[in-house]
Amino acid sequence: GAVVSQHPSWVICKSGTSVKIECRSLDFQATTMFWYRQFPKQSLMLMATSNEGSKATYEQGVEKDKFLINHASLTLSTLTVTSAHPEDSSFYICSARDYEQYFGPGTRLTVT
Amino acid sequence: SQKIEQNSEALNIQEGKTATLTCNYTNYSPAYLQWYRQDPGRGPVFLLLIRENEKEKRKERLKVTFDTTLKQSLFHITASQPADSATYLCALLTGGGNKLTFGTGTQLKVEL
Repeated sequence: GAVVSQHPSWVICKSGTSVKIECRSLDFQATTMFWYRQFPKQSLMLMATSNEGSKATYEQGVEKDKFLINHASLTLSTLTVTSAHPEDSSFYICSARDYEQYFGPGTRLTVT
Repeated sequence: SQKIEQNSEALNIQEGKTATLTCNYTNYSPAYLQWYRQDPGRGPVFLLLIRENEKEKRKERLKVTFDTTLKQSLFHITASQPADSATYLCALLTGGGNKLTFGTGTQLKVEL
């Protein structure tokens, strides 16, 4: 089956710094990529949807200036959490879609 | 308001028994519904998709039913094994068919 990778798998950063998470579709071209956030014992919440070469569409309540999404190619999307704070600590999961939707393994972000 | 609800309490069953998980939704008219498995610290893995015009779908030990009148899907695992222990998520395609919205998830534990 199709594989979606994320890097890093976990990251610890200090409050106020920025951190970038990469999402790659390894063996297919993704027309659309999605970013989700999951807090402990809660479900996945969609943050934004992005199409290659165009601006991301953010869900209500998600700050687009804080969570920068770049979908530069059909196989790569990045999420940058800017000026991270402890409340941004969460599990971030990307997903890529061609005809079906495939999920990455997730990135655990801890902001200290 | 729109909701996708699953049993919030964990389900504990004995090995060999059939596990039945419930997904109820309100104020959606999905074309299809999907079930995913998620292990701790990992992204969700696709299991089954059932369309609105299908009553039942099977895959090995898994069976899904979809009742659009009751707005409910049931997910069954027969002859359950400890390896089936995980959180199971249902998801609907929403937003005009462009995005997956997940339920709250049910944690299943299969005991020896």
